Amino acid sequence: KAGVTQTPRYLIKTRGQQVTLSCSPISGHRSVSWYQQTPGQGLQFLFEYFSETQRNKGNFPGRFSGRQFSNSRSEMNVSTLELGDSALYLCASSLSASLSTDTQYFGPGTRLTVL
Amino acid sequence: AQTVTQSQPEMSVQEAETVTLSCTYDTSESDYYLFWYKQPPSRQMILVIRQEAYKQQNATENRFSVNFQKAAKSFSLKISDSQLGDAAMYFCAYRSATGNQFYFGTGTSLTVIP
Repeated sequence: KAGVTQTPRYLIKTRGQQVTLSCSPISGHRSVSWYQQTPGQGLQFLFEYFSETQRNKGNFPGRFSGRQFSNSRSEMNVSTLELGDSALYLCASSLSASLSTDTQYFGPGTRLTVL
Repeated sequence: AQTVTQSQPEMSVQEAETVTLSCTYDTSESDYYLFWYKQPPSRQMILVIRQEAYKQQNATENRFSVNFQKAAKSFSLKISDSQLGDAAMYFCAYRSATGNQFYFGTGTSLTVIP
């Protein structure tokens, strides 16, 4: 069974632009979570989607948004990019509705660089 | 909010030896889950082991085991018979039994010396 895939793997943008990252979960998984990883802040939770609905959201500004499609694929959008948005963005999927008992499987990440 | 602390930014171990990575957390909840994740240089995060807070028995997965001290809010990872492939960044993570959010520590970079 294929793992979690993320596209693109690398992205370079300039300040003020917007970006869309994509995540395809493991087949059959309906929950998708997004994380931002930076050397200074570590891993921080962005949001989680289940059945096309955002179930939980971390402490990030409204410039960060996401959505999930009926096939469970998810996209994350960042508008008006800032230098501090440079990070590795990780997506994780899990099987069922009960996130607290499920194991999350992570994708390889998208490395975003903002110049 | 819950916080997870990994006080060892870097650790090293001789191949075939044992190493213990430390993790402490702060929570007022009684029911939660704890995890150790491994992130090798390829960057794919992999689950190493998980522990349910209501279980007194420490979790074990082959060469990996934890020492879970609920009262002390401590959750250390022991790697026995260390192998070169164990070299990675290790993250400790907390998740409430009712919430849907992970809280990660800042990670410990483990080097395995041949």
